[in-house]
Amino acid sequence: EDQVTQSPEALRLQEGESSSLNCSYTVSGLRGLFWYRQDPGKGPEFLFTLYSAGEEKEKERLKATLTKKESFLHITAPKPEDSATYLCAVQEGGTYKYIFGTGTRLKVLA
Amino acid sequence: DVKVTQSSRYLVKRTGEKVFLECVQDMDHENMFWYRQDPGLGLRLIYFSYDVKMKEKGDIPEGYSVSREKKERFSLILESASTNQTSMYLCASSFKGEAFFGQGTRLTVV
Repeated sequence: EDQVTQSPEALRLQEGESSSLNCSYTVSGLRGLFWYRQDPGKGPEFLFTLYSAGEEKEKERLKATLTKKESFLHITAPKPEDSATYLCAVQEGGTYKYIFGTGTRLKVLA
Repeated sequence: DVKVTQSSRYLVKRTGEKVFLECVQDMDHENMFWYRQDPGLGLRLIYFSYDVKMKEKGDIPEGYSVSREKKERFSLILESASTNQTSMYLCASSFKGEAFFGQGTRLTVV
């Protein structure tokens, strides 16, 4: 069965304290892995797409990496405005469907 | 920028009412999705559509139906609203890769 597991469930960081969020997945033939940011009461906002192991994408303080079994979202020197829930999703080859993890709630303290 | 617009941010409906949630996208995307999001359960797929008048059940279709008469519009229908359908409803559209989400509709059934 296809699965996406994110860890930790919640993370509190001091401003400037770098860390990583994990997304492990089990899927038959990965079409793509996606990272989203979601603020309270709003829809998820697209961040990155990764297609193959070894691929990396960066945007400001965020960097996403992909292996054959997991993806990491590295947050370098976070700021309070990075506080949000980060969602990971996978899309299996041959399907339109996305399977989401339950997210990591990140809180960055000033 | 891709825009996915949901007709309402907040809705309060009575048990037994028929409820319509509307979603419109402006990017000519083939695929559209309806998810519900509940604490601890993440995003769960209700229905998706890969073309006009085409639909497929997701993981939790019971109590819901959908309509896609035009490419840009995808409607979710709660045939007879129940309290266990109180949730955040998210519409999304995609072409091949990443999905783009609307702002969400917080539905409360009383």
